[in-house]
Amino acid sequence: GQNIDQPTEMTATEGAIVQINCTYQTSGFNGLFWYQQHAGEAPTFLSYNVLDGLEEKGRFSSFLSRSKGYSYLLLKELQMKDSASYLCAVRDSNYQLIWGAGTKLIIKP
Amino acid sequence: IAGITQAPTSQILAAGRRMTLRCTQDMRHNAMYWYRQDLGLGLRLIHYSNTAGTTGKGEVPDGYSVSRANTDDFPLTLASAVPSQTSVYFCASSDLAGGPGELFFGEGSRLTVL
Repeated sequence: GQNIDQPTEMTATEGAIVQINCTYQTSGFNGLFWYQQHAGEAPTFLSYNVLDGLEEKGRFSSFLSRSKGYSYLLLKELQMKDSASYLCAVRDSNYQLIWGAGTKLIIKP
Repeated sequence: IAGITQAPTSQILAAGRRMTLRCTQDMRHNAMYWYRQDLGLGLRLIHYSNTAGTTGKGEVPDGYSVSRANTDDFPLTLASAVPSQTSVYFCASSDLAGGPGELFFGEGSRLTVL
């Protein structure tokens, strides 16, 4: 079956760096997405990786290794507003998105 | 530009009642989706439509139906609601014609079935 694994919850300190990992087993691969979802709100798009390597976008970076079925989202200079759930999703060979359950990130002052 | 609009934002419904969740987008995206989100689970796809006039079943389609009469609207109907359909429902759209095809989500509809 298809599966996306990410940690359920992580805690980090304001101003620090945190890495949220995502491993996947899917039928084919057509890209990996990261979304941010604040409590009670809709998910919003953060990043997209389809080739191996690092994609940097401001304080957020996302890394992909297709051979390892692995990605991470790196958040730098953490701010309180970064407290949210981070969802990893993989587009499979049928172009359907398979979603992880999300990682709840708690930022402490 | 509104993006995606869902209605209602919240609803309490008696079991056995029929309910339609409305979804409208103004981005002219070809693809639209309905997901449900439950605590501890990832987003689960209910139904999708890759273009107006076509629909497909997702991971959890039972008890739900959709239609896509035009590009902008994608309503989700619960023919006879059951308590297990208590959830937060998100409508989303994407442009499959170019780019990564990321999803744009509506604000969600919180449905409680008693």
